Order: sequence, then C-alpha cells, then structure tokens
Amino acid sequence: AQSVTQPDIHITVSEGASLELRCNYSYGATPYLFWYVQSPGQGLQLLLKYFSGDTLVQGIKGFEAEFKRSQSSFNLRKPSVHWSDAAEYFCAVGAARGSTLGRLYFGRGTQLTVWP
Amino acid sequence: DVKVTQSSRYLVKRTGEKVFLECVQDMDHENMFWYRQDPGLGLRLIYFSYDVKMKEKGDIPEGYSVSREKKERFSLILESASTNQTSMYLCASSSERHGAFFGQGTRLTVV
Repeated sequence: AQSVTQPDIHITVSEGASLELRCNYSYGATPYLFWYVQSPGQGLQLLLKYFSGDTLVQGIKGFEAEFKRSQSSFNLRKPSVHWSDAAEYFCAVGAARGSTLGRLYFGRGTQLTVWP
Repeated sequence: DVKVTQSSRYLVKRTGEKVFLECVQDMDHENMFWYRQDPGLGLRLIYFSYDVKMKEKGDIPEGYSVSREKKERFSLILESASTNQTSMYLCASSSERHGAFFGQGTRLTVV
C-alpha cells in the first residue's frame, strides 16, 4: 500500500540554523516525490519535485531534497532557516498513470517553528 | 506560472443546503483533484478526474459528488451539507511535466 511518513509532527529551530525534515515513503512503482509548504489559511505551494535523474534536487526558497532509494527517503534540507520559513511542510508521493501523473499520497505534515 | 483558482476563500452554509465549490486551472492539465484538510488528519482525497466527464472516487467520497464538464473546471458538490463537512477544501491540478499545483483553499463552515 502506498504511504508517506513524516516522523516529526513539530520541529523547532533557531533562525540561521540548518534544517532537515524527514520523509519516508512506501510505493510499489517508481515514485514521483514532492515537498509542499503551507502557510496558515493558505493552499499548498510546491517547493520541489523529483521525477528522475540527479537524486539531489533544488527547489525554491533555498530548499533542497535528496532522494535515497535504498532508504525510501526524500528528506528536505535548508542550510540556514529564516523566520519566514515557519509553516507546515508536506511530503507527497505519486506515480505515472499512463502519460500523466496519478494521484498523490501525502504525509501528515511537519509544523516548523522558527525562534528568532 | 500555473494557476489554480478556487471560487471562494470562505463560505458559511446552513445544514442541508446544496453547496458548490468551483475550481479552475489555466494550464490545460488533464488531472484535477479535490482534497479536504482537517487538523490531525492531513489531506484526504475526495474525488479526482483524469479527463472531462470522468471521475473517480478517492478515499472519502461519501456525501460529495463532482462535475467536470470542461477540462479547466472541476466542481465539488455537497448535496446536503452537514456540520461534519466543515473543513478546508483544496483543489489541485497536475501533469507529469509540472507536478501538482494547488489552489488557495476554501474554508467552508456549515452551521
């Protein structure tokens, strides 16, 4: 069965510190992987995606993620967190459906708090 | 930029009313989705559509229906709104090239 696990419900970091948000997935097919960010009362914004190729992908706002097939992981990182990064982060997995992208499965999210 | 637009940011409806949530995308994506988001439960898929006039049930379709008469528009219908349908509703469209993009969400309150 398809599933996504984000083991950390809530993470607190100081501004300027590095960040790593964990994501593990279970998926039978070759996965398409995503990270989204959601500010309060807003929709989800796509940070980055991995479809194939280089396993280290760069996204917007200085985020990057690394796909590790052997560990079924797709962890999100940022070298120096800014106060504006405080938000909820969602990892998602999907797969190709014919020539298109099928439904996504989401983790429960990780709430990030940034201390000044 | 991909744009997914939901017709309302906030809605307040009465129990028993028929409610329409509209979603429009401008990227010619074939796939469109409706999710609801509740604290502690994450995002749950209600319905999705891979083509015009096609629809498939997601994980929690009970109490909902959908309509997709045109490629760019995907409507979620609450046939008879109930208080347990108070939630944040998120529409998305996707393609293999772009990934999935979300609208800004509709916060629905049923009283």
